[in-house]
Amino acid sequence: GENVEQHPSTLSVQEGDSAVIKCTYSDSASNYFPWYKQELGKRPQLIIDIRSNVGEKKDQRIAVTLNKTAKHFSLHITETQPEDSAVYFCAPHSGAGSYQLTFGKGTKLSVIP
Amino acid sequence: DAGVIQSPRHEVTEMGQEVTLRCKPISGHNSLFWYRQTMMRGLELLIYFNNNVPIDDSGMPEDRFSAKMPNASFSTLKIQPSEPRDSAVYFCASSLTDTYNEQFFGPGTRLTVL
Repeated sequence: GENVEQHPSTLSVQEGDSAVIKCTYSDSASNYFPWYKQELGKRPQLIIDIRSNVGEKKDQRIAVTLNKTAKHFSLHITETQPEDSAVYFCAPHSGAGSYQLTFGKGTKLSVIP
Repeated sequence: DAGVIQSPRHEVTEMGQEVTLRCKPISGHNSLFWYRQTMMRGLELLIYFNNNVPIDDSGMPEDRFSAKMPNASFSTLKIQPSEPRDSAVYFCASSLTDTYNEQFFGPGTRLTVL
């Protein structure tokens, strides 16, 4: 199966600073790269995703960058706010027929006011 | 749409008892996923269905676990007999298809096996 690693496992930043979380994967067939956010006691929710034919995608304060050659993609959060505090999961996977989906172990982000 | 619905939200049972978790996916979604989340193991995919057919159950931990999807609007995850190590939060998620699509998670069922 897919080996997925996230770094760092915990991250503390001051409000207003940027945060970057990296996800590395092993399956070269992976072609869809989402990031999910899970607040304490709640369900995971998609915040941004990217497909393998795109190198970068932005949505307001969040962005995802993909390096398929090196098999990693990263979540970037700028101008962090206390409500960004949560656990973030990456979940790279390949498509139908040989569905391999593995969630990373998660990165706990704490934004200090 | 009410989103993915799971029941019960909390379940406390004794070791050896049968547990059935239920899920109603979002109408029109063709793929359904069952996950288990624990502190130690994180979020694990147990099984997923596409058009009501189980596609990959390689994540099901052992024969005590079984899942069914008798129709497009209902799925169950059964544990028989339950053990304390099955204690976890079980999420059901659905997506439009199983490719390139956002998964919408239900609120989860917190299972405690005593």
